[in-house]
Amino acid sequence: DAGVIQSPRHEVTEMGQEVTLRCKPISGHNSLFWYRQTMMRGLELLIYFNNNVPIDDSGMPEDRFSAKMPNASFSTLKIQPSEPRDSAVYFCASSHLRLSDTQYFGPGTRLTVL
Amino acid sequence: KNEVEQSPQNLTAQEGEFITINCSYSVGISALHWLQQHPGGGIVSLFMLSSGKKKHGRLIATINIQEKHSSLHITASHPRDSAVYICAVKNQGAQKLVFGQGTRLTINP
Repeated sequence: DAGVIQSPRHEVTEMGQEVTLRCKPISGHNSLFWYRQTMMRGLELLIYFNNNVPIDDSGMPEDRFSAKMPNASFSTLKIQPSEPRDSAVYFCASSHLRLSDTQYFGPGTRLTVL
Repeated sequence: KNEVEQSPQNLTAQEGEFITINCSYSVGISALHWLQQHPGGGIVSLFMLSSGKKKHGRLIATINIQEKHSSLHITASHPRDSAVYICAVKNQGAQKLVFGQGTRLTINP
């Protein structure tokens, strides 16, 4: 299995631009998590889905952030408009809801907003 | 809200030393995870514990539910063990993880 796939791996953009991060979970996994990691705050959960349905989005910082999971093999995290304080590494992780609590992390997307 | 505290924040040791990283949490949990983040940024799940002890190679993880405390031990440490080790807990009845700030471990040859 290829593991969790994220794209792009690096993104540099200017303030005010729209940013879309993409994630493909491990095949057969039915839970998907979006995390953000910064030096100041460490790892934080933004939102997670079970069976493509958003369950908890309380970690989404504000309305500029949105996430979708149109099918079991694809999710997006969108920031519009982006701000310099959004600069961070964004991780996607997936797991199997019933079989195991172990989450498998993607390589992350390093976002820099200038 | 569960507060997860790790200690120490930074740890430097010589190759071969026995390493202990601690994690304390404030509210009852259903599971505790230890994660390893390599210098390149990738995150790997090492252990998931709900009670007792688990061992994998040179890594040992223990948890004391009554004390709300877990430890990660590394025996015969090696420079390739250098990484950030992150403790995360899952609250009872919840699915999401709450993370500690991580412990940066450096093993010198």
